[in-house]
Amino acid sequence: GAGVSQSPSNKVTEKGKDVELRCDPISGHTALYWYRQSLGQGLEFLIYFQGNSAPDKSGLPSDRFSAERTGGSVSTLTIQRTQQEDSAVYLCASSFRTSGGETQYFGPGTRLLVL
Amino acid sequence: GQQLNQSPQSMFIQEGEDVSMNCTSSSIFNTWLWYKQDPGEGPVLLIALYKAGELTSNGRLTAQFGITRKDSFLNISASIPSDVGIYFCAGQLSGSRLTFGEGTQLTVNP
Repeated sequence: GAGVSQSPSNKVTEKGKDVELRCDPISGHTALYWYRQSLGQGLEFLIYFQGNSAPDKSGLPSDRFSAERTGGSVSTLTIQRTQQEDSAVYLCASSFRTSGGETQYFGPGTRLLVL
Repeated sequence: GQQLNQSPQSMFIQEGEDVSMNCTSSSIFNTWLWYKQDPGEGPVLLIALYKAGELTSNGRLTAQFGITRKDSFLNISASIPSDVGIYFCAGQLSGSRLTFGEGTQLTVNP
């Protein structure tokens, strides 16, 4: 079966432009997470969706960052007026809950470079 | 907030050697996960641990969920060149974000 997919795989943009990043979760996974990974660093949580609602958006670094999820499936992360410090790999994960617990599966990421 | 300390930061070993890495936390988690990330890829789940004290194996990998719920270790036995990559621990409270360690960069010399 298909895993988590993300697009674009790479994005180069100019400072001040807006960008949209897309995540297609694994079919049937109700939870969806966005993380950011700066060069050589661990992953930093951004926002979490359960269905179409976002009970935890505390990791979004500024009001230039927003995300939405529609139909309990695809999610888009939007960064407005991009800055050079936004350059990073943006990773999406989806998860399902079993009797044992919840496991998050990651997509390949979108590599964003802001010039 | 919660922080995970992962060590060592990097390891250089010979093929065939065993490897051990660990994570400690300032607070408890309900789940511990170990991921491996290759260059240009997203993290791939290696082992998931859901109960304190749990010891789980996946081939040459063995991981344990510490009894205090504040630590976990990952062992790799008889390392091979394809084990090269960055290994991340992650802790989770139920139905919430993952908190990641900063990673262990593993290099295996043939």
